[in-house]
Amino acid sequence: EADIYQTPRYLVIGTGKKITLECSQTMGHDKMYWYQQDPGMELHLIHYSYGVNSTEKGDLSSESTVSRIRTEHFPLTLESARPSHTSQYLCASSDGQGRQPQHFGDGTRLSIL
Amino acid sequence: SQKIEQNSEALNIQEGKTATLTCNYTNYSPAYLQWYRQDPGRGPVFLLLIRENEKEKRKERLKVTFDTTLKQSLFHITASQPADSATYLCALDGTGFQKLVFGTGTRLLVSP
Repeated sequence: EADIYQTPRYLVIGTGKKITLECSQTMGHDKMYWYQQDPGMELHLIHYSYGVNSTEKGDLSSESTVSRIRTEHFPLTLESARPSHTSQYLCASSDGQGRQPQHFGDGTRLSIL
Repeated sequence: SQKIEQNSEALNIQEGKTATLTCNYTNYSPAYLQWYRQDPGRGPVFLLLIRENEKEKRKERLKVTFDTTLKQSLFHITASQPADSATYLCALDGTGFQKLVFGTGTRLLVSP
C-alpha cells in the first residue's frame, strides 16, 4: 500500500517544454527527497527538504527546482526540458525524528525527445 | 575518494540456499547503514537498518552485519525463494544527517 505517490509514472515530451513532476505523501513526514536514477546506476540525491519552506540542493547538480509549500507536497519542475534530463526521478520521505528509513514512490520515468 | 561498492555482477543461486551480498565503503564514517530492495520499474523498499554500534541485525529470513573496521556490511537471505529475486541496494549516511548515499546495487536471481 503506497503512502507516497508520484505522477505521472511515465512522461514522453519534447525539448523546451516546462515539466512538473508531482510527489505527495500521506504520512506527515517532515523530510522529503528527490533522487535521479539511470538504468543500472545508483540513486543520486538532487534535492531535499527538511520541512515547509525549506529546500536544499543535493549532491548531484540538477537544473530542476523544487518547492515545499505544504508538508505533504514536494513537486519538481524543469523549466525547459532537454534530452539530457531523460532519467527516472524518485521521490522519498522520512520521519523527522532520528535516523529513519526513507519511503519511496515508484518514480517518474521521463523521456525528452 | 568516497565510494560505496556492491558487486555489479548478478548473483545467481538456487532456491533454498543462502544468498550473501556485500557492501564495501571507502572514506566514509557512517553512523548507520540501510539495505533496500528494488524491483524493476519500482522505487526502493526499506528492509533493514543497522547502527555503527550494532554487529548484527535480523528480521525474519534477513540478516545484516556491519563491520566498521573492515568498512563492510553483509546482507544475508536464508532459505531464498524466487520471489526474493530483485536488486538490493545498500545506503549509508555519508554526506549529512538523514541524507543517504546509495550503492549501485546487486541483482539477485533465485532459480527454482
